[in-house]
Amino acid sequence: NAGVTQTPKFQVLKTGQSMTLQCAQDMNHEYMSWYRQDPGMGLRLIHYSVGAGITDQGEVPNGYNVSRSTTEDFPLRLLSAAPSQTSVYFCASRNPAGNTGELFFGEGSRLTVL
Amino acid sequence: AQSVAQPEDQVNVAEGNPLTVKCTYSVSGNPYLFWYVQYPNRGLQFLLKYITGDNLVKGSYGFEAEFNKSQTSFHLKKPSALVSDSALYFCAVRDDTSGTYKYIFGTGTRLKVLA
Repeated sequence: NAGVTQTPKFQVLKTGQSMTLQCAQDMNHEYMSWYRQDPGMGLRLIHYSVGAGITDQGEVPNGYNVSRSTTEDFPLRLLSAAPSQTSVYFCASRNPAGNTGELFFGEGSRLTVL
Repeated sequence: AQSVAQPEDQVNVAEGNPLTVKCTYSVSGNPYLFWYVQYPNRGLQFLLKYITGDNLVKGSYGFEAEFNKSQTSFHLKKPSALVSDSALYFCAVRDDTSGTYKYIFGTGTRLKVLA
């Protein structure tokens, strides 16, 4: 099983450029989410989705867009990158069986904005 | 608001000694609590969770956690630390207030096991 797959693993952008971080899971999980990890701040929730066609904002949504057209994919878009978006980004999904499931994480995407 | 706190940025322990990584929480309603571990340049891996029942929860790699409702704590423990346990540990609580089950993470505690 591939689990949660994130691409790319590393990316360098210039301020103002746009890009999409891809996330795909093959576990049929309905719940998917994006976090950013910054030193001393832990993981902060950017956006999440409880199923195809449904998305909602997390703690730090500004500057990011998401969509959920299929159960498997949950891309994160940066429309105009800023240096403050330099971070490590993690996609995570959750088992839909019941509501006590733990999150399954991808390996992360390290983004640097110059 | 739901929250978790990990009061120690770093914990150092000698190999073979018991280890404790602390976590306290603040929730309304029943707490659903989790511990995750992150090795360098990797994603987070699930260790264990408390949903209900026994206050002592056993998880992966010999870790366990003790849920204490009166102290609102969920400390991670291991009887005998290994050098390979050195990693970043995160406590998390599930926020059920909105009905969408968001997860809130602590700031992490770096565990260093010294040979």
